[in-house]
Amino acid sequence: KNEVEQSPQNLTAQEGEFITINCSYSVGISALHWLQQHPGGGIVSLFMLSSGKKKHGRLIATINIQEKHSSLHITASHPRDSAVYICAVYHGSQGNLIFGKGTKLSVKP
Amino acid sequence: NAGVTQTPKFRVLKTGQSMTLLCAQDMNHEYMYWYRQDPGMGLRLIHYSVGEGTTAKGEVPDGYNVSRLKKQNFLLGLESAAPSQTSVYFCASSYLRTDTQYFGPGTRLTVL
Repeated sequence: KNEVEQSPQNLTAQEGEFITINCSYSVGISALHWLQQHPGGGIVSLFMLSSGKKKHGRLIATINIQEKHSSLHITASHPRDSAVYICAVYHGSQGNLIFGKGTKLSVKP
Repeated sequence: NAGVTQTPKFRVLKTGQSMTLLCAQDMNHEYMYWYRQDPGMGLRLIHYSVGEGTTAKGEVPDGYNVSRLKKQNFLLGLESAAPSQTSVYFCASSYLRTDTQYFGPGTRLTVL
């Protein structure tokens, strides 16, 4: 069983829709990251969180430590949001990031 | 600031050839990482470094060696390339271990 599971694997949305990507993990963590991988391959960090909620522009990330679950929301989606979104967790005993397989989002105009 | 840079961007090798991938960062980060990304799999850690002169094994270290002679550079070597090492390689760096990681643009390696 993968330690970090993302759902859905693929997501197609119409421009303007509200989008939710989910991440569940099975290990104790000290922090969770959301990253975005552009179609060209570049990877950028969106959020790092260990509790509660963070917001940046149209992106909102939440985490529930007790339920071992995080969500990434995109409000008023736009075609430029099309990318792969990756969840990664810091597992305390290993001390390195464990990555999910990613969710491929396509936003149609 | 250039951030994290990687050279080369693309490379094709024949089985048994060797090569070195270079990662450079100008953010004075202590931690540097080498990952590989394969279709249908998450990023996997190959080796990492917690400071100049130090290296440590990650999840998939076999067939790779690394060196961190200068704080800003982290080299990944393949001594005898195999087709199973065909992948996209990403370098990343961070100030603290649990901090945001900054990624390079990636190197696409094909081993024939």
